[in-house]
Amino acid sequence: DGGITQSPKYLFRKEGQNVTLSCEQNLNHDAMYWYRQDPGQGLRLIYYSQIVNDFQKGDIAEGYSVSREKKESFPLTVTSAQKNPTAFYLCASSILYSPQGFTSTDTQYFGPGTRLTVL
Amino acid sequence: GQQVMQIPQYQHVQEGEDFTTYCNSSTTLSNIQWYKQRPGGHPVFLIQLVKSGEVKKQKRLTFQFGEAKKNSSLHITATQTTDVGTYFCAGIQGAQKLVFGQGTRLTINP
Repeated sequence: DGGITQSPKYLFRKEGQNVTLSCEQNLNHDAMYWYRQDPGQGLRLIYYSQIVNDFQKGDIAEGYSVSREKKESFPLTVTSAQKNPTAFYLCASSILYSPQGFTSTDTQYFGPGTRLTVL
Repeated sequence: GQQVMQIPQYQHVQEGEDFTTYCNSSTTLSNIQWYKQRPGGHPVFLIQLVKSGEVKKQKRLTFQFGEAKKNSSLHITATQTTDVGTYFCAGIQGAQKLVFGQGTRLTINP
């Protein structure tokens, strides 16, 4: 059964603690992404990765870190430096393709999300 | 940087009424994608538009991509309660990441 999974579904953290959110995909997708969604808001890009051992900052990378040691996995660490971490975190993956000489992303498949609450 | 603006932010309709959400980019897009997020769920891909002036239909949903490839719209005819959710557009400007609009949250009075 192919797809993208995130765990845990709900996560509670004490202020000042780091926490790691898991994201795994078995779709053989090249690219993986992390987004943050606040209530009533759109999706904001935290980090993305197009290839193993490489990743780029998105629009709101401060206070977050990622790794891409395997194609299937793209964990996100929310560090104590993130001032307002309570949010819904979504992981996504996609195929990259080059139709006209530049790389573009195809459909993004989203995981079910992790709802992080800082107590 | 690239920005994608989406309006309205909220829309409440009576069941059976039509609904439209609009998406505008500050720059020309190579393509645009539309996603739907049900309450409590995650975004699910609906469609991708690539060509200037393109129009695509999925049953009661009609998607348009502007001639200048800077705007797009989603129109739902005769809404049903199953249409409830937040609709997002997302644009690509020749880069490898999507830029999402803020979304339009649709609620329906049965």
